[in-house]
Amino acid sequence: GAVVSQHPSRVICKSGTSVKIECRSLDFQATTMFWYRQFPKQSLMLMATSNEGSKATYEQGVEKDKFLINHASLTLSTLTVTSAHPEDSSFYICSARDPGTGLTEAFFGQGTRLTVV
Amino acid sequence: SQELEQSPQSLIVQEGKNLTINCTSSKTLYGLYWYKQKYGEGLIFLMMLQKGGEEKSHEKITAKLDEKKQQSSLHITASQPSHAGIYLCGAVPLNNNDMRFGAGTRLTVKP
Repeated sequence: GAVVSQHPSRVICKSGTSVKIECRSLDFQATTMFWYRQFPKQSLMLMATSNEGSKATYEQGVEKDKFLINHASLTLSTLTVTSAHPEDSSFYICSARDPGTGLTEAFFGQGTRLTVV
Repeated sequence: SQELEQSPQSLIVQEGKNLTINCTSSKTLYGLYWYKQKYGEGLIFLMMLQKGGEEKSHEKITAKLDEKKQQSSLHITASQPSHAGIYLCGAVPLNNNDMRFGAGTRLTVKP
């Protein structure tokens, strides 16, 4: 079945640095990908919708200048956490659906655990 | 925005017991997904429901979507320790493409 690959699975960075997370659809073209964040003992919260070839759509309260999203191709979306701070430490996970026809299963990446020290 | 209420928040059951998790939407859904997750790990797809009144089963897990497409339940029969984890319902609303999640249900199955 369709697979979404996310990299890296874990990253530790120093406060003030930037971190890039990649999300790839391996065997289908994803015009739209979704980025979620999950804090401990909480559910997944949608951060933004990544649209291939256009600007991402951010959810209310999510800083677009801090969480840069680039969806340059139909198989790759990247999330860059700029000037990371300890409060950005979280589990980030991406998702994509194979467009096909109608509603299809949403595939999720393995997630990235970000720790900012 | 899409509001998904999921209940209960946590559930502890004895191995072999049945259990039900509920997910209620404030709006009519285009699709309803059930996932299982261990925190800090990826999501495991369980089932997707799209039609009103639809019911699907896989092994000991059954999911239903009501006729109005606003409420879904996930039922586990004869629970086992391997069923333990966090169960999340995700919904895709009408005229939209993104998926939003309920708060999750943390299931513990005692041997």
